[in-house]
Amino acid sequence: GQQLNQSPQSMFIQEGEDVSMNCTSSSIFNTWLWYKQDPGEGPVLLIALYKAGELTSNGRLTAQFGITRKDSFLNISASIPSDVGIYFCAGQLFKAAGNKLTFGGGTRVLVKP
Amino acid sequence: NAGVTQTPKFQVLKTGQSMTLQCAQDMNHNSMYWYRQDPGMGLRLIYYSASEGTTDKGEVPNGYNVSRLNKREFSLRLESAAPSQTSVYFCATSDRGDEQYFGPGTRLTVT
Repeated sequence: GQQLNQSPQSMFIQEGEDVSMNCTSSSIFNTWLWYKQDPGEGPVLLIALYKAGELTSNGRLTAQFGITRKDSFLNISASIPSDVGIYFCAGQLFKAAGNKLTFGGGTRVLVKP
Repeated sequence: NAGVTQTPKFQVLKTGQSMTLQCAQDMNHNSMYWYRQDPGMGLRLIYYSASEGTTDKGEVPNGYNVSRLNKREFSLRLESAAPSQTSVYFCATSDRGDEQYFGPGTRLTVT
């Protein structure tokens, strides 16, 4: 099936650092979404993007809808310990059948020892 | 306002046993979804219901059946559980099909 390639697969953060992750595909998407999942919980929606080139912030999080409509980026500024978790990108394909999302494999954010 | 609730939270089954996972929402959303999450695989869509009275297969429907009981409830049934169905199952709802809201999950182990 359709895949979203999310990178990096994992990263270590130090408090105060800015971090970035991205999601790419060979197909065009209408919508990009970013979710965060804490251990033992369901994914929680962080940011939704609807237009190519759109830049949207939610507190210390900023996400962008790539102008090619085939990628998206998420930045976290000034990391804090509670940023640890798994971040998923998801997209709704252009002319998708049904109201379905495609998910990336996730970026696991860990704290530097 | 509970949002999306799932029962049970945990379940252990033996191969061949059957069970139904329940999902209910109080968000008045039209669309509901069942996903499974395996390590390193992200979320994969099993079945979805775009509106009350309709259901459609997702990416990995084999071994599962669903029922959209009413606008609030969407159940997932495993008729004959297999070890390959060991996973975490999430229900999600949506009003427009793009922003989906997830329940807390059911952790299923099949031995």
